[in-house]
Amino acid sequence: DADVTQTPRNRITKTGKRIMLECSQTKGHDRMYWYRQDPGLGLRLIYYSFDVKDINKGEISDGYSVSRQAQAKFSLSLESAIPNQTALYFCATSDPGTGEQETQYFGPGTRLLVL
Amino acid sequence: RKEVEQDPGPFNVPEGATVAFNCTYSNSASQSFFWYRQDCRKEPKLLMSVYSSGNEDGRFTAQLNRASQYISLLIRDSKLSDSATYLCVVNIGYGGSQGNLIFGKGTKLSVKP
Repeated sequence: DADVTQTPRNRITKTGKRIMLECSQTKGHDRMYWYRQDPGLGLRLIYYSFDVKDINKGEISDGYSVSRQAQAKFSLSLESAIPNQTALYFCATSDPGTGEQETQYFGPGTRLLVL
Repeated sequence: RKEVEQDPGPFNVPEGATVAFNCTYSNSASQSFFWYRQDCRKEPKLLMSVYSSGNEDGRFTAQLNRASQYISLLIRDSKLSDSATYLCVVNIGYGGSQGNLIFGKGTKLSVKP
């Protein structure tokens, strides 16, 4: 079984709809992240959470919100989807206990199309 | 200046070739460094960490030059399966609007028969 899972894997929605992307992990990591990836722009951080009670805005948080329901779950919401939120969304986790070698482990991604 | 810069490529090489990717980073306080690999439409996956003394993993060799703020990845004897985008990643050791890991935009490699 995958350590980091994302649901749904693909989603088509219409402008103005509210949608939620979900991420679950079995790695036992405290830190979780949401990124979007667009062609030519690389990975951009939307929100991150260093533990259950911690939520931080990333580089491009406008139009998004998150919820950290448990150590293992971190969901991303688009309150009112717009076409320029069409992208590939990745969830990731990391373990601060690894010190300087802390790195991130990614889920398989959710491909979102907003019409 | 962008935090982590890479040549986007694409690098088109024949099987068996040796290819090198370079990366520069702007934050001199960066603590640790990595190369990730991303296949088309897939998630990024850790390829290898980069250590100050340089390190090797099979056909892959990573080098770090802290004075020049420069990281490299060398792939020897390229295989068709090496075709992917290679992301240079820097751990800046604190949060902020970009979290603790800064990703380059990637260098695309295409290995041809």
